[in-house]
Amino acid sequence: QTVVTQEPSLTVSPGGTVTLTCASSTGPVTSGYYPNWFQQKPGQAPRSLIYNTNNKHSWTPARFSGSLLGGKAALTLSGVQPEDEADYYCLLWYRGAQPWVFGGGTKLTVL
Amino acid sequence: QVQLVESGGGVVQPGGSLTLSCAASGFTFSSFAMHWVRQAPGKGLEWVAFVRYDGGNQHYADSVRGRFTTSKDNSKNTLYLQMSSLRAEDTAVYYCAKEVSSGYSYDYWGQGALVTVSS
Repeated sequence: QTVVTQEPSLTVSPGGTVTLTCASSTGPVTSGYYPNWFQQKPGQAPRSLIYNTNNKHSWTPARFSGSLLGGKAALTLSGVQPEDEADYYCLLWYRGAQPWVFGGGTKLTVL
Repeated sequence: QVQLVESGGGVVQPGGSLTLSCAASGFTFSSFAMHWVRQAPGKGLEWVAFVRYDGGNQHYADSVRGRFTTSKDNSKNTLYLQMSSLRAEDTAVYYCAKEVSSGYSYDYWGQGALVTVSS
């Protein structure tokens, strides 16, 4: 069973920078896993932020960026705003019978 | 603008069946693959199912394979999730999501439909 691991929680100060990571139990994450990042606020549907490692949607704020870092997918928030407090999920694609696996999510607190 | 609207959620007894629909608008539905994702109360996101743009290929999570079937009717711009042999652990909000044109990733999500499996 493939497991995708994220930090359970992180805290950042307003205006600061924070990096969330996404690791795979199968080994280093590469662009071939097509990493996605999603934001979810309480009571709302998820919102797509980053696709295929580092591509932004038209609505994605410039302060969000995606990358590969040390064998993991990464989401960096630069100049964090209070409204960035949310849960963040990554999604990876695998060849096989169950191609898509979500990470457990990171609860980001802006304090 | 792109809209995805789920319907069909409700309360069902264990062992029962339910079909969710996702009505799509604002894009060429027949050109895009679609996904179902669920979220149990207080838990994280779980990928459930995928259907290819033409409805010709599907993939399922291990937890639902053999019990759930997804399909898309491109003439009605509607995605479906037929759920049978429902269990308490299937209780969740079910979201439909649209793939981006390059595949493997999502852009738009529906607002979700709550399915509660309880006697």
